[in-house]
Amino acid sequence: KQEVTQIPAALSVPEGENLVLNCSFTDSAIYNLQWFRQDPGKGLTSLLLIQSSQREQTSGRLNASLDKSSGRSTLYIAASQPGDSATYLCAVKGGTGANSKLTFGKGITLSVRP
Amino acid sequence: GAGVSQSPSNKVTEKGKDVELRCDPISGHTALYWYRQSLGQGLEFLIYFQGNSAPDKSGLPSDRFSAERTGGSVSTLTIQRTQQEDSAVYLCASSLGGTIEAFFGQGTRLTVV
Repeated sequence: KQEVTQIPAALSVPEGENLVLNCSFTDSAIYNLQWFRQDPGKGLTSLLLIQSSQREQTSGRLNASLDKSSGRSTLYIAASQPGDSATYLCAVKGGTGANSKLTFGKGITLSVRP
Repeated sequence: GAGVSQSPSNKVTEKGKDVELRCDPISGHTALYWYRQSLGQGLEFLIYFQGNSAPDKSGLPSDRFSAERTGGSVSTLTIQRTQQEDSAVYLCASSLGGTIEAFFGQGTRLTVV
């Protein structure tokens, strides 16, 4: 059974800091890994998708990396801003093929202090 | 539509009543997922559709929960005889294919009183 872990559960940093959010998963047989952002009371917004054959993806100030063999992914946020405050979730798809579910971590709640 | 649409956005129901939650996926998306998010909890998988069939319904918590999808588009999640523990935000997502990026709706907040 796939398990996804995100530690720590919460993080507070001053504005401008570069930061790394970690995600680990137990079953390396994945199709892809996706990072999402969730604002309070809202749905999930997709940030980056990394296919299993890829090592990283970039979008603006965000960079996500994937090391399938070690079961790890990181989301790097450059020059953090108060508007980045949200919960960040990673999810992996795979294990039983394209029809498998997305398995989520519990998320990391990020607070960026002005 | 431009995104995944869920209705209603909020639903308050009395214990024991049945409720129906609706999800309109992005046009052309063949894969559709339902998840549940309880207060302070992670996302709990409920069911996955590919077209109109559900190859994975392993997450439905009891036989009070059912879901269907018609025409490869709209999906309805039905909860019969609601209980207080059913109170949660129910989220729907769709993707172009099984291995493609998933997009979520804003969710339906269900409160059972």
